[in-house]
Amino acid sequence: DVKVTQSSRYLVKRTGEKVFLECVQDMDHENMFWYRQDPGLGLRLIYFSYDVKMKEKGDIPEGYSVSREKKERFSLILESASTNQTSMYLCASSEGKQPQHFGDGTRLSIL
Amino acid sequence: AQSVTQPDIHITVSEGASLELRCNYSYGATPYLFWYVQSPGQGLQLLLKYFSGDTLVQGIKGFEAEFKRSQSSFNLRKPSVHWSDAAEYFCAVGMDSSYKLIFGSGTRLLVRP
Repeated sequence: DVKVTQSSRYLVKRTGEKVFLECVQDMDHENMFWYRQDPGLGLRLIYFSYDVKMKEKGDIPEGYSVSREKKERFSLILESASTNQTSMYLCASSEGKQPQHFGDGTRLSIL
Repeated sequence: AQSVTQPDIHITVSEGASLELRCNYSYGATPYLFWYVQSPGQGLQLLLKYFSGDTLVQGIKGFEAEFKRSQSSFNLRKPSVHWSDAAEYFCAVGMDSSYKLIFGSGTRLLVRP
């Protein structure tokens, strides 16, 4: 069974800090995704990666960057955290056009 | 632009009653369609998917969905709801040209005892 593991379930950071969210998948999937989830807005794609060192912007990339140095790991970076980045962050992986498999999410609070 | 609409933000049903959650999409070609469920504090779990073929698809936990091309819909149904079905449900659309999915804004299901 596919497992997508996000390093933290809850995280509290301060405004201006550089924040790293880590995601690891164990099924050798090509594609990995970062979403943020806010009430009433569903899931919005921040960035995705279809191969090592390859990335594409999603719908809301401003204020975020990503890193994929190894196939199994996809990191989301908040360069300088702001309070409007308080949200639930979800990582997912997939193979081709097969369904995406999700981690349990990281609830991030920026104070 | 492609989009997914889930017109019901909340739905409340009694335990044992039938359920239908609506999903409409906007996309020029035949999409790939998915329904996911999210329990509180958890990630999303795949309920079912439609890629091609039979337009009535069966999923896990007794759910099914029907793809209706003429109505651009992919509604989720369950004949008898259990209290454990209380969760948020998301419809998603995938496209031929991309690995990305577009998600609806979700429908929160409440189940009355």
